Amino acid sequence: QVQLVQSGSVMKKPGASVKVSCKASGYSFTTHRLSWVRQVPGQGLEWMGYSNTNTGKSTVVQGFTGRFVFSFDTSVNTAYLQIISLQTEDTAVYYCARHHDPYDILTGPDYWGQGTLITVST
Amino acid sequence: QSALTQPASVSGSPGQSITISCTGTSSDVGGYDFVSWFQQHPGKAPKLIIFKVNNRPSGVPDRFSGSKSGTTASLTISGLQADDEAVYHCSSFTSTYSRVFGGGTKLTVL
Repeated sequence: QVQLVQSGSVMKKPGASVKVSCKASGYSFTTHRLSWVRQVPGQGLEWMGYSNTNTGKSTVVQGFTGRFVFSFDTSVNTAYLQIISLQTEDTAVYYCARHHDPYDILTGPDYWGQGTLITVST
Repeated sequence: QSALTQPASVSGSPGQSITISCTGTSSDVGGYDFVSWFQQHPGKAPKLIIFKVNNRPSGVPDRFSGSKSGTTASLTISGLQADDEAVYHCSSFTSTYSRVFGGGTKLTVL
């Protein structure tokens, strides 16, 4: 069965960097796009962008460009979200999510990771 | 891309039906039949319950249904059960080849 397993919650100080992993199993990793979604505590979901695990290209949407970097390693079926120069407002749960249709993001995510809480505090 | 508009909260009694709206623009909800709905219980990841406006993934009860008219999509839950109490999020594909979410609606089962 399809599974996305994310790395554990972490606490960081402002200015530090963090890398969240999302290990996929149960499907062809290079067939389905993988998105990243942020959820600030008590708020809604925000789509950050996605990785095209087939072509190697990642798209980060406006509002997340600059300090948020997507990458992936097809040899271990794992996607990564790196956040550089953390700020307190980056405190949130970050989810990876697989898109339903092969080779596209039209239909939207179907399977989600369990989420990774990043807490940024002095 | 502005977030889709959802009511902050809705409520209903067990056995009743409720409808949650999700309003966008012609650049997202109104322009494409790629609206999804997710159910999120506290402390859990979102779960897909509706895709492509009115399609249910395997295992989702037929008490959950979706529809769309113009720039507004709707999720209807019939025969409300206690376990339906959760936050519901809508999402749509957009004209900029991206996706956008609504702000989420908290459903309370009285």
